[in-house]
Amino acid sequence: KNEVEQSPQNLTAQEGEFITINCSYSVGISALHWLQQHPGGGIVSLFMLSSGKKKHGRLIATINIQEKHSSLHITASHPRDSAVYICAVHYNTDKLIFGTGTRLQVFP
Amino acid sequence: EPEVTQTPSHQVTQMGQEVILRCVPISNHLYFYWYRQILGQKVEFLVSFYNNEISEKSEIFDDQFSVERPDGSNFTLKIRSTKLEDSAMYFCASSATRGFDTQYFGPGTRLTVL
Repeated sequence: KNEVEQSPQNLTAQEGEFITINCSYSVGISALHWLQQHPGGGIVSLFMLSSGKKKHGRLIATINIQEKHSSLHITASHPRDSAVYICAVHYNTDKLIFGTGTRLQVFP
Repeated sequence: EPEVTQTPSHQVTQMGQEVILRCVPISNHLYFYWYRQILGQKVEFLVSFYNNEISEKSEIFDDQFSVERPDGSNFTLKIRSTKLEDSAMYFCASSATRGFDTQYFGPGTRLTVL
């Protein structure tokens, strides 16, 4: 069964810390998304990638196709980064398969 | 910046009633999606829609569900006879090209079935 696993499930950090959230998947994929879900429920797309690395501000996403693994890094974390971060993949169809999410809390 | 909008933000209905959830995708987008998230669970794909027809649907999307693009702007999800287990947050999304593209999500409609 095609699954998406994320770790850790919960993460707390002090402001300024470097954060890493991991995502692994079971078989070859067409693309992987990192999404952010705010406490109010809204979902924002952060990255879509199928190879290599992407950077946007303090966020960096990497993917290793051979190891079937992706990471989301947040540098110089801030309390406003507190949210649920979700990894989702396309297994060569329109259908997105979502991970369970990583709940991040950053304290001042 | 263009955004996906959804109405209503919260809908309460009695079991067995029909509900229609509405979405206005970003205007030049061609691919549309519905997802749902039961409280405390992960987001689940329901259906994708392109060129006025369903391109893919999940096993959740049974005969009680239907989607429609009644005009050039709206995209709707209808649940014919709601069940208690349909209570969830429903998200609409759109993308400019096929699913291997950034999807823009609406703010969601919280459906509560009593």
